[in-house]
Amino acid sequence: SQKIEQNSEALNIQEGKTATLTCNYTNYSPAYLQWYRQDPGRGPVFLLLIRENEKEKRKERLKVTFDTTLKQSLFHITASQPADSATYLCAPPHGSARQLTFGSGTQLTVLP
Amino acid sequence: DGGITQSPKYLFRKEGQNVTLSCEQNLNHDAMYWYRQDPGQGLRLIYYSQIVNDFQKGDIAEGYSVSREKKESFPLTVTSAQKNPTAFYLCASSSRDSSYEQYFGPGTRLTVT
Repeated sequence: SQKIEQNSEALNIQEGKTATLTCNYTNYSPAYLQWYRQDPGRGPVFLLLIRENEKEKRKERLKVTFDTTLKQSLFHITASQPADSATYLCAPPHGSARQLTFGSGTQLTVLP
Repeated sequence: DGGITQSPKYLFRKEGQNVTLSCEQNLNHDAMYWYRQDPGQGLRLIYYSQIVNDFQKGDIAEGYSVSREKKESFPLTVTSAQKNPTAFYLCASSSRDSSYEQYFGPGTRLTVT
């Protein structure tokens, strides 16, 4: 069955450093992959989508890569700030309705 | 203000009672979804609907039911058959014209005792 794995449940980094989060998927080949941010007690918010023919996508301090050979997406936050502290979820689609399968998320804490 | 609303934010029920969670959107989206989230876990899909009067089971539909009589509304009923109903429930919608990016509501935290 399709499986999504995100690296480590929690990641602590110092303010100003680059955070790198990993998303690995198995048993399927999604045409694209989405990344969401979720704050405690709230619904996820869409951040970025990257398609299989795109190696890299950027939005302000965010960068996402998509390696279909490794079946992996990397999510980078450069010049991290305490306000970036949240849980980040990767979500590739599956099925005819393109419903999303969410990973369990990586909880990022940026220390001042 | 466009968006998705869920009500109530917190809901308490006794075991054995059915309860209905509300989800309304004014984004004119065709597709709507219900997810369940347990502490420290990702979102799991309960039901989804691509169009009015049609819906499909997700990965964990047992003990839940939905209806889609209007484009704007997708209520979820948690029945007494659901063995572990206490959870955070999230509703989302998406447009089939876009990249299927999903817009989420604020969630309803259901506690059953």
